[in-house]
Amino acid sequence: DAGVIQSPRHEVTEMGQEVTLRCKPISGHDYLFWYRQTMMRGLELLIYFNNNVPIDDSGMPEDRFSAKMPNASFSTLKIQPSEPRDSAVYFCASSLVAGGYEQFFGPGTRLTVL
Amino acid sequence: GDSVTQMEGPVTLSEEAFLTINCTYTATGYPSLFWYVQYPGEGLQLLLKATKADDKGSNKGFEATYRKETTSFHLEKGSVQVSDSAVYFCALSPLYNQGGKLIFGQGTELSVKP
Repeated sequence: DAGVIQSPRHEVTEMGQEVTLRCKPISGHDYLFWYRQTMMRGLELLIYFNNNVPIDDSGMPEDRFSAKMPNASFSTLKIQPSEPRDSAVYFCASSLVAGGYEQFFGPGTRLTVL
Repeated sequence: GDSVTQMEGPVTLSEEAFLTINCTYTATGYPSLFWYVQYPGEGLQLLLKATKADDKGSNKGFEATYRKETTSFHLEKGSVQVSDSAVYFCALSPLYNQGGKLIFGQGTELSVKP
């Protein structure tokens, strides 16, 4: 299996621009998670889906952030408009409930907002 | 609510030293417990896990024992190598986990010097 795939791996943009991060979970997994990691705040859960349905978005910092999962093999995290404080590494992870909730992480997208 | 507390880092050791990273948890009942490792520039990956009290998880020379009486899951390795330098995260999956999410500690950075 290819593992969780994220794109792009690096993104540099200017304040005010729209940013879209993409994730392809492991085939057959029924949970998908979006995390943000910074030095100051550590690893934060932003939102997660079960069978393509958002379950808990309480970690989404504000309305500028949105996430979708149109099908079982694709999810996006969008930031519009972006701000310098959004600079972080964003991870996508997937899991299978029958697998004991072990989460498999992607390599992350390093976002820099200038 | 459920939570995980890890010892603060960074932890700096010389090669072949003994490693202990403390992890304690607060949870209802008997959650599943995990250690994840994050190497520089990569996503988190599962290192080991234990699903019930007194279980010992082990992998790559690392071990952790699920201690119900002390609500702990300390990570140990008898002889660390430079290649073990990474950030280590303790995590739990709550009992009767309806959401599939994991609760992570803040991470402990380990630096091993030659």
